[in-house]
Amino acid sequence: DAKTTQPPSMDCAEGRAANLPCNHSTISGNEYVYWYRQIHSQGPQYIIHGLKNNETNEMASLIITEDRKSSTLILPHATLRDTAVYYCIVRVANSGAGSYQLTFGKGTKLSVIP
Amino acid sequence: DVKVTQSSRYLVKRTGEKVFLECVQDMDHENMFWYRQDPGLGLRLIYFSYDVKMKEKGDIPEGYSVSREKKERFSLILESASTNQTSMYLCASSLRLGSQQFFGPGTRLTVL
Repeated sequence: DAKTTQPPSMDCAEGRAANLPCNHSTISGNEYVYWYRQIHSQGPQYIIHGLKNNETNEMASLIITEDRKSSTLILPHATLRDTAVYYCIVRVANSGAGSYQLTFGKGTKLSVIP
Repeated sequence: DVKVTQSSRYLVKRTGEKVFLECVQDMDHENMFWYRQDPGLGLRLIYFSYDVKMKEKGDIPEGYSVSREKKERFSLILESASTNQTSMYLCASSLRLGSQQFFGPGTRLTVL
């Protein structure tokens, strides 16, 4: 069963904020929300993760709803280089066997338009 | 920043050849992983290693073996390459099992 649901594609104008939603209604209390992205023909790149508080780093912000059933990744000023497939996944962090494997769904293909 | 490098970006081999894919990470990570990525099938774990000389099978280990003689290096070996092993191969490393994984650029292998 899919643990996350994301829209298949989104467009964003260059310079604007890109808001990528993710639904994870069956998330468990000890599962984190992780975001990765994959630019065409490159390896996936870790972006950010969080448990229940909003998080921000140099790449993006992660907003998690209070009930933790959905989240939004925000790229504050999208550039053409942000065009990629963005994957939202939920997994238990730092708990050993069974949590090590990354499983990507279909993700959201973000196209940043000049 | 963590840097994970892979020995080749593109590789073309013939059926039956023995193929070595090498991965090196420079952040002293305990854990290293080999995945393959195919259209429509997503990311699939082949093998991972949680320490030097230690390895565990992932979901699709058949036809592959691995070697981890040094902490920074994790090799994937295709004993006898077949056309269905044509794929993008991705290496990753992480500080702890379950923490974020950092990926290399990938090796696109074509087996003719």
